[in-house]
Amino acid sequence: EIVMTQSPATLSVSPGERATLSCRASQSVSSNLAWYQHKPGQAPRLLIYGASTRATGIPARFSGSGSGTEFTLTISSLQSEDFAVYYCQQYNPWPPFTITFGQGTRLEIK
Amino acid sequence: QVQLVESGGGLVQPGGSLRLSCAASGFTLSDYYMSWVRQAPGKGLEWVSHISSSGGTIYYADSVKGRFTISRDNAKNSLSLQMNSLRAVDTAVYYCARSYNPFDSWGQGTLVTVSS
Repeated sequence: EIVMTQSPATLSVSPGERATLSCRASQSVSSNLAWYQHKPGQAPRLLIYGASTRATGIPARFSGSGSGTEFTLTISSLQSEDFAVYYCQQYNPWPPFTITFGQGTRLEIK
Repeated sequence: QVQLVESGGGLVQPGGSLRLSCAASGFTLSDYYMSWVRQAPGKGLEWVSHISSSGGTIYYADSVKGRFTISRDNAKNSLSLQMNSLRAVDTAVYYCARSYNPFDSWGQGTLVTVSS
């Protein structure tokens, strides 16, 4: 099983500043990496897929980078609505079908 | 717009069964693969099961294999998850998700509590 490890567990950042979240895979996942935003009581929201492609309607302040085993989600200028939990996810679309999520990074207001 | 609405959650005793449903609207269900994902209290997201657009290909997480069964009825725009032999560790909010790039739309979830 591919293990996804996110760091840090909690990140405290002031509004308007940049946030950088990391995700590491235990083995190469190529570019089969997605990022999600999750707020309490809401459905998770797809932000990034293919490691760097923004999903429909996602603001340009969200960007993803990386390939293989090391990935980064950057939020360039934090808005109040961006404070949430962020998950990375690897997805292997070919057999053996595997999907695993990281444990999440909580982005909180400093 | 795309909408997914889960139902069927509730309180069940260990060893019991429950059937979750997901009603899809705003898109043609038969064009998409679908999945179930869960989140235990205070924990992260865990993929549970996946079904192809026709229902011919199905995958399960090892943690639920042999106990859970995913199915779909494209004519009724519905996805289901039959959960048997439930355990306390299955307590979670269960989400259905449209499996496109890779999960581009999610429902709000339904809570399943396994407790005596």
